[in-house]
Amino acid sequence: NAGVMQNPRHLVRRRGQEARLRCSPMKGHSHVYWYRQLPEEGLKFMVYLQKENIIDESGMPKERFSAEFPKEGPSILRIQQVVRGDSAAYFCASSPTGQETQYFGPGTRLLVL
Amino acid sequence: AQSVTQLGSHVSVSEGALVLLRCNYSSSVPPYLFWYVQYPNQGLQLLLKYTSAATLVKGINGFEAEFKKSETSFHLTKPSAHMSDAAEYFCAVSEGTNAGKSTFGDGTTLTVKP
Repeated sequence: NAGVMQNPRHLVRRRGQEARLRCSPMKGHSHVYWYRQLPEEGLKFMVYLQKENIIDESGMPKERFSAEFPKEGPSILRIQQVVRGDSAAYFCASSPTGQETQYFGPGTRLLVL
Repeated sequence: AQSVTQLGSHVSVSEGALVLLRCNYSSSVPPYLFWYVQYPNQGLQLLLKYTSAATLVKGINGFEAEFKKSETSFHLTKPSAHMSDAAEYFCAVSEGTNAGKSTFGDGTTLTVKP
């Protein structure tokens, strides 16, 4: 059983470009969570999604950031018009029911030049 | 609201010595508590979790943690450090059963000296 997959593992963007981060949860998991980790800091919750629904987006910046988890395919975290402050590691986690242990992916490290 | 404070951003121990990583939490409801380990350029791996059952929780790799409600603490210990334990450790709290929306501490980097 493959673990949580994230791609790309590393992403370089110039200021003003768009970044798309993908997360494929573990098989049988329908709950996905996105976290951001800034250098020297812990993980900060961004958004919680189930298939086709955003359950909690209280940690998402109000502008430029969006997330989706379609019926088919991976969950996508989209950052429009990236700025240098968006440089961070973005982690995805999944769980089967939302009430159990979450499993983390290896992360996508975004660098904005 | 919930929060986590990890005391000491860097801890250094000798191989074979006791490991003690401190975590204090605050939560308005009975918490679920977690310890994760992160190796460089990797994701987080769950070491152990407290979900209101036994207050002494045993995890993987010889780690354990004790939930102390009166002290609002959940410190992580290991009797004898191994070189492979060198990593960053994160304490996290979630309210209720939703483990996903967790609040993380800033992490403690553990260095193990030969």
